[in-house]
Amino acid sequence: DQQVKQNSPSLSVQEGRISILNCDYTNSMFDYFLWYKKYPAEGPTFLISISSIKDKNEDGRFTVFLNKSAKHLSLHIVPSQPGDSAVYFCAASALSGNKLVFGAGTILRVKS
Amino acid sequence: DSGVTQTPKHLITATGQRVTLRCSPRSGDLSVYWYQQSLDQGLQFLIHYYNGEERAKGNILERFSAQQFPDLHSELNLSSLELGDSALYFCASSVEASGGGTQYFGPGTRLLVL
Repeated sequence: DQQVKQNSPSLSVQEGRISILNCDYTNSMFDYFLWYKKYPAEGPTFLISISSIKDKNEDGRFTVFLNKSAKHLSLHIVPSQPGDSAVYFCAASALSGNKLVFGAGTILRVKS
Repeated sequence: DSGVTQTPKHLITATGQRVTLRCSPRSGDLSVYWYQQSLDQGLQFLIHYYNGEERAKGNILERFSAQQFPDLHSELNLSSLELGDSALYFCASSVEASGGGTQYFGPGTRLLVL
């Protein structure tokens, strides 16, 4: 039962343009959402999070949007840079819950 | 650098053997989590410890066990290893007692079972 889905296995974007990574979830108890970035041979690095009381959170080039009615969140990276090329994982939890549930990841390639 | 350390970085062993993976959490974090990432798979939650006590179990096999020591480091023990246990094993830590907040990951241990 995949409670968190990232339906695009990969995404290719030109340097300087916007990258949009998408994530859908099914569990209505989830109220905290995170994005992690992972380079090969390294552990996931926390990027940005959002709680369900907000619909947008911004940190520099990274913005996460949450649409609770659609059970959908997205990560926008503007402008995209070659160093952003990595695997991006969406994760979700209930803050009172006991674990993070991860999506399968999306490989982002930023071409220069 | 997340502040979470894991040893060893790489481990090669044979089927039927037993290995121990070690994790030290970030300073001040009382929670430690273990995850498994197999080829082309997402991160699968295995187990969560908070201040020495088991808090939650995920998809952890009976051949696997973990513990968290008084100094808060944790060990994941994998026994009777099978080829399918080859994977990346990540440890994460957080301040929260629940597993629902932001977790910070270590660099992982790559296990290869031959």
